[in-house]
Amino acid sequence: EVKLLESGGGLVQPGGSMRLSCAASGFTFTDFYMNWIRQPAGKAPEWLGFIRNKANGYTTEYSPSVKGRFTISRDNTQNMLYLQMNILRVEDTATYYCARDMDAWGQGASVTVSS
Amino acid sequence: DIVMTQGALPNPVPSGESASITCQSSKSLLYSDGKTYLNWYLQRPGQSPHLLIYWMSARTSGVSDRFSGSGSGTDFTLRISRVEAEDVGVYYCQQFLEFPYTFGAGTKLELK
Repeated sequence: EVKLLESGGGLVQPGGSMRLSCAASGFTFTDFYMNWIRQPAGKAPEWLGFIRNKANGYTTEYSPSVKGRFTISRDNTQNMLYLQMNILRVEDTATYYCARDMDAWGQGASVTVSS
Repeated sequence: DIVMTQGALPNPVPSGESASITCQSSKSLLYSDGKTYLNWYLQRPGQSPHLLIYWMSARTSGVSDRFSGSGSGTDFTLRISRVEAEDVGVYYCQQFLEFPYTFGAGTKLELK
C-alpha cells in the first residue's frame, strides 16, 4: 500500500523558514517523481514543484510563485521528500501535500504564517 | 500560465441521476504524442484530493466505471453516472502540459 505522511507544519512568523518532510512507503521511491502541492483553506490546490526520479537525474522544477524561496529535495536512502521554505509570507498559509506522480497524495501538513 | 476554467453543477444532484462537470483550458492540452495532458480529481470533505482520471480519459485503478472523461484539446467533461453519496465533494481538473501545472477552481457536487 502506498503511504505518504507529511510532517513539520505549524505556526511561523512572516520572514521565517520551515522545512516539511514527507515519509514515503509502499513503492520504489527512486522510480517516481515527487511533487509538493499546497491548498489554502477553501481554495483550489496549487502545484509548487517536483523532483524527478532516478532515471531523470533527480532534477527539479518549480512554480514561479515559489521559485527562489522554496527548495525541494529527497533522501533516497530514507525514502524521504523535503520542502524547505524560506522568507515565508502570510499568503503561504495553506495545507501542504506531497504527492507521488500526482496519483497518490498524503494527508497534508498545515502551515500558518502569522505574526 | 494555462488557465483552467470549470463550470458549475445545478446542485443538488438527485441520487441516481447523472452529472457532467465541464473544464476549459486556455491552451490546447493535446500534445504531439497524441495524449491530452489533463487530470481529474475528487476531494471529499476533510480529505486530500485523489486522482480519478488521467490523460483526459484513463481511469485510475480502483475508480468506478461510473466515472468517465472525454473532450477535445481545450474542452473537457467529467461524467458521473448514477450519482451516489460517496461522489459528494469538489472536483478539480488540472493540466500537466506546461509548467506551472495549474488547477481549475473546482466544482462542488452536492447530493439531493
